[in-house]
Amino acid sequence: NAGVTQTPKFQVLKTGQSMTLQCAQDMNHEYMSWYRQDPGMGLRLIHYSVGAGITDQGEVPNGYNVSRSTTEDFPLRLLSAAPSQTSVYFCASREDLSQEQYFGPGTRLTVT
Amino acid sequence: KNEVEQSPQNLTAQEGEFITINCSYSVGISALHWLQQHPGGGIVSLFMLSSGKKKHGRLIATINIQEKHSSLHITASHPRDSAVYICAVRYSGGSNYKLTFGKGTLLTVNP
Repeated sequence: NAGVTQTPKFQVLKTGQSMTLQCAQDMNHEYMSWYRQDPGMGLRLIHYSVGAGITDQGEVPNGYNVSRSTTEDFPLRLLSAAPSQTSVYFCASREDLSQEQYFGPGTRLTVT
Repeated sequence: KNEVEQSPQNLTAQEGEFITINCSYSVGISALHWLQQHPGGGIVSLFMLSSGKKKHGRLIATINIQEKHSSLHITASHPRDSAVYICAVRYSGGSNYKLTFGKGTLLTVNP
């Protein structure tokens, strides 16, 4: 199993550009999440999904969209990038709430 | 506001020392996670526990539900243990899907 994969590993955007961060898992996990990690702060939940077709907002959803058309994929879209979205983004998945989370390798995004 | 507090923020040790990292939280939880993140690297789950104690190799995690406190111990520390250790909790009730993360403890083990 590849586990949780994320692409790209690094990305530089200009303010106002849009892009999609890709996340995929091959463990047939129902639960998937997107987090951002900023210096001096704990990981913060952006959006999450409890199954295909079901998504919900986390604590910092503004400026981001998600969809979950398949169990495997959970892309995160930045609609109009802002410097405040400069961060490291992690995707994670788990089988259910009683199980541990598996994290992807992260995407380092810089918005200039 | 439900928060997760970790101490210390930074910890430097000599190889072979016994390490303890602490995590406190404010209200009842369903589960507590300990995670490890190497510099520039991904995040790996070490333990998930809701009571008692778990051990994996040189790592031991304990939790005291009444005191709302957990500790992560590393015995016979090694330079490869140098990493950020993150505590996260899933609170009971409300949106029990969400994990609340501490800010992490940066551990440096010198040879």
